Amino acid sequence: DQQVKQNSPSLSVQEGRISILNCDYTNSMFDYFLWYKKYPAEGPTFLISISSIKDKNEDGRFTVFLNKSAKHLSLHIVPSQPGDSAVYFCAARGGVGAGSYQLTFGKGTKLSVIP
Amino acid sequence: DGGITQSPKYLFRKEGQNVTLSCEQNLNHDAMYWYRQDPGQGLRLIYYSQIVNDFQKGDIAEGYSVSREKKESFPLTVTSAQKNPTAFYLCASSIFTGEPQHFGDGTRLSIL
Repeated sequence: DQQVKQNSPSLSVQEGRISILNCDYTNSMFDYFLWYKKYPAEGPTFLISISSIKDKNEDGRFTVFLNKSAKHLSLHIVPSQPGDSAVYFCAARGGVGAGSYQLTFGKGTKLSVIP
Repeated sequence: DGGITQSPKYLFRKEGQNVTLSCEQNLNHDAMYWYRQDPGQGLRLIYYSQIVNDFQKGDIAEGYSVSREKKESFPLTVTSAQKNPTAFYLCASSIFTGEPQHFGDGTRLSIL
């Protein structure tokens, strides 16, 4: 049973436009959410995170929105650049004790930014 | 520069053999993790360690073993009991308070 779902396997966006990547979760114990970016044959790179006590976190061109009631978060990239083309993973962390260190990942969304 | 080093980048194993993947970090992180990624899938946790000489099973620990004798090192052994070992293996670390995990560049394991 997937606790973190990224329902769009791929997304294509024109350079300069907004990219919106979506993520849904089912576990109400999750209290911290992260986005990672991954290029082929490399490890994921941390992009941005948000705590469940916030509904928005911004870092340059990247903004993450969290809607706790809907158990939904989204990553906005504005403006999109060709170098943003990668696979984006949504991840969640939560619970108590040892479980609070484990990340649960979605399957990823492949973003292609077209020049 | 601080970071996580995984070696080798590509590894081939004959059926029935154990193989060990190396992971070293110089970030002074207490916690280390091993994940497995299959095509079209997210990352799944194999084992994690919060402190030296202690480690816990993740979601898919069967057929794998780990050790944590030093803070900097967290090797993963893929044993012959792992029936489908072909995958991309990622090591990660984080400071004890659970800040975002930093990942190595991975090891791709294939069966000959």
